[in-house]
Parts: sequence; structure tokens; C-alpha cells
Amino acid sequence: GAVVSQHPSRVICKSGTSVKIECRSLDFQATTMFWYRQFPKQSLMLMATSNEGSKATYEQGVEKDKFLINHASLTLSTLTVTSAHPEDSSFYICSARKAGGNNNEQFFGPGTRLTVL
Amino acid sequence: GENVEQHPSTLSVQEGDSAVIKCTYSDSASNYFPWYKQELGKGPQLIIDIRSNVGEKKDQRIAVTLNKTAKHFSLHITETQPEDSAVYFCAASMSNTGKLIFGQGTTLQVKP
Repeated sequence: GAVVSQHPSRVICKSGTSVKIECRSLDFQATTMFWYRQFPKQSLMLMATSNEGSKATYEQGVEKDKFLINHASLTLSTLTVTSAHPEDSSFYICSARKAGGNNNEQFFGPGTRLTVL
Repeated sequence: GENVEQHPSTLSVQEGDSAVIKCTYSDSASNYFPWYKQELGKGPQLIIDIRSNVGEKKDQRIAVTLNKTAKHFSLHITETQPEDSAVYFCAASMSNTGKLIFGQGTTLQVKP
């Protein structure tokens, strides 16, 4: 298998608060994890690439101070949305690439629905 | 950077008919082309992928073709079933970055 989990699956928070989303590879080690954002009826947009033990690489237009990414182990990456506002409401999806596996293949988590009131 | 265009945006077929979704990419260095199925409220699921050293790949009712010269690839679903109804995304990736660039998505509706 190659199972990726995310927690929580849904979160509702007040404007101005911070929210942490966890992404775990359950049965494999992931040297690289990716974070995507998906607005309703739109495609997945890559936010950042997270490498274990190093700083994340952010895509153009993504604020690194707002979307804090930590990849502390080979099975866990976290995304923290700081000072969340209603426009941050979205579906956040992570994916993981196996250590030593096919360099391209990514295994996706089930997503986290964030609603900021 | 890479850009992936996907057509059509919506596709409605009768059960049992075939469905074809097409994608084009811009960067000739891309060498991995996966297709994903996404159901409402869920993460994308890989259904088939193809690498740039292969022209065609088939897995039961699903096939993917790749034309490197023209920089386009297509998903073919035969004998469609209502449970095939979902949003389908193509993507392109280069091995040096591993980043996936997604197409805009196709909403497939299979009518019973």
C-alpha cells in the first residue's frame, strides 16, 4: 500500500486564529511531501514542497509566513495556516513521495476542508 | 514553467459509451503524466500514469496515450459505468523537481 492520511478532515475556525493540518504517510517513508490548495470547482494548485529536515520551498505567490510548513520526520508534515481569514477557506490536500521510490509518483491524502468564519 | 491544458471541462456520455479527455503540456522536459479521479469531497486517486518512454498504456477499461512530439496525452475510458462519474485531472511532472502541474479538470457524467 501507500496510504496518506490527513487530520483533521474538516475544521471550522474564527477569523484571526491559526489552524494546523497534519499529513502522515502511514506505511512508507516520504522524503518529500507536497501541499496543494483547491477552491470549489477548480484544479489543485501547488502551494509548497516540503522536504524532511529542511525548509519548504514555496510556489510563487504563496506567503511562507502565512502558511507555515514543518516536515519533522519521514512520515509527518504539517501545514499551519496562521491568522486565518475567510479567503483562506479552501480544501487543502497533501501528497507524499516515497523515499527511494519512483521519483514522480505522488500519493494523495483525503484532504482537509477549512472554513474560516 | 510547465502549463497543462485540459479539455473538455465537462463531458456527458451514456452508460456503455467511451469517454476521451485530452491534455496538452508545454514543457518538453516533462516525463511523467498521471491521471487522477476525484470524487466530491475526497482527495485525488491515481487511476493510470504513463512515462515519456512509452506511447500507450492500458489497464482494463482505461487507457492513456502519449504523443511526445505534439506534447499531448489522452485518457480513454471504454464501457463507461455510472460509478465512473467524477472529476478527472491530468498532470505533468519533471523528474528533476517531482512537482505535478495539474490540468483544469473534466467533470465526467455517465448517464445510466
